[in-house]
Amino acid sequence: ETGVTQTPRHLVMGMTNKKSLKCEQHLGHNAMYWYKQSAKKPLELMFVYSLEERVENNSVPSRFSPECPNSSHLFLHLHTLQPEDSALYLCASSQEVGPNEKLFFGSGTQLSVL
Amino acid sequence: AQSVAQPEDQVNVAEGNPLTVKCTYSVSGNPYLFWYVQYPNRGLQFLLKYITGDNLVKGSYGFEAEFNKSQTSFHLKKPSALVSDSALYFCAVRANRDDKIIFGKGTRLHILP
Repeated sequence: ETGVTQTPRHLVMGMTNKKSLKCEQHLGHNAMYWYKQSAKKPLELMFVYSLEERVENNSVPSRFSPECPNSSHLFLHLHTLQPEDSALYLCASSQEVGPNEKLFFGSGTQLSVL
Repeated sequence: AQSVAQPEDQVNVAEGNPLTVKCTYSVSGNPYLFWYVQYPNRGLQFLLKYITGDNLVKGSYGFEAEFNKSQTSFHLKKPSALVSDSALYFCAVRANRDDKIIFGKGTRLHILP
């Protein structure tokens, strides 16, 4: 295991629902990330947190709302999603946000929006 | 703007044969280059990285990658493929501290028994 745990593993939601994805890292890292993985497309960086402060927000629609209450936990709150938001959402962590830092990924949450 | 390309959607190799998964990049300045692997129903796992120094980088599971500055390439290689190497492989690049890491779209590697 990589030390990064994501729950739930699978989520099906309607377009009017509100749900949250959870990520927890047990590595003592200071940086956490949300990525979106769609089939045959590059991984899309959504949000980056360093020491609980958001340092990057990649023009992500406001229906995605991140929260980082401490350096070990990261949430992605979802509301009024669209079917095109269906994808694998990956959480990752690294020791710090640096140019040569390697990322440790969770197994992801497979999201289906109906 | 920085970018990374993985020209092959899928690569098929017979078990025991050498394998190569291609990656080319475009950055201004010196690149930081990475390979990650994703097994079914799992997140990405770090394989290796190039920062500076020797152009041949060795990583996990017997993989290595060769940095070629003139061809702006960072191909992933292994001398003898195993069936268990079958997975999705991602190349990634970062130009400097202030740039975000950019991933390619991935190459699916099938090792045939």
